[in-house]
Amino acid sequence: GIQVEQSPPDLILQEGANSTLRCNFSDSVNNLQWFHQNPWGQLINLFYIPSGTKQNGRLSATTVATERYSLLYISSSQTTDSGVYFCAVEPRKTSYDKVIFGPGTSLSVIP
Amino acid sequence: NAGVTQTPKFQVLKTGQSMTLQCAQDMNHEYMSWYRQDPGMGLRLIHYSVGAGITDQGEVPNGYNVSRSTTEDFPLRLLSAAPSQTSVYFCASSLTSGPRSYGYTFGSGTRLTVV
Repeated sequence: GIQVEQSPPDLILQEGANSTLRCNFSDSVNNLQWFHQNPWGQLINLFYIPSGTKQNGRLSATTVATERYSLLYISSSQTTDSGVYFCAVEPRKTSYDKVIFGPGTSLSVIP
Repeated sequence: NAGVTQTPKFQVLKTGQSMTLQCAQDMNHEYMSWYRQDPGMGLRLIHYSVGAGITDQGEVPNGYNVSRSTTEDFPLRLLSAAPSQTSVYFCASSLTSGPRSYGYTFGSGTRLTVV
């Protein structure tokens, strides 16, 4: 099956710093999502981004489907950005519907 | 508020007991799924459904059953609980699946402990 990797696995930032999180996937995908899981366990959809670039405030994401990777940019980080960031993909070669998650990047933003 | 509602939020079971985790959405979403999250292992897909009456297995289906009799509800049944099923369970839904999907909405999770 498809392999989804995320890097780095852990990241510690000083408040105000910028960061880039990466998601690599081993096969073609129908779509890709980025999620943030906050310290209380809630999962929030950040981006639905099968290709191209999207921006939402201090966050932006770029997916290059032909090269099988996606990047999540966090600018001017805040302590509320702490948590785990997951990418999730729907492989194209399976029947639709199986959305597979990467292992996540754990981000800690310190004041 | 529109969204995905999971009940209960917490549950403790004894080994061998059965129970049903409830999931309901009021967004008229076709696609619903169940994941479990274990420390260090991310989220793994248990079962999913693309519409009422249609379900299929995910990555880790053993020990779990599902049914989808209505668009709104997608319960997850543990037939005979085992300590290995101790986990946090998340239900998710989306308008549809495939290239026209617009992304998941997650419930708040059910923390299950099997002793």
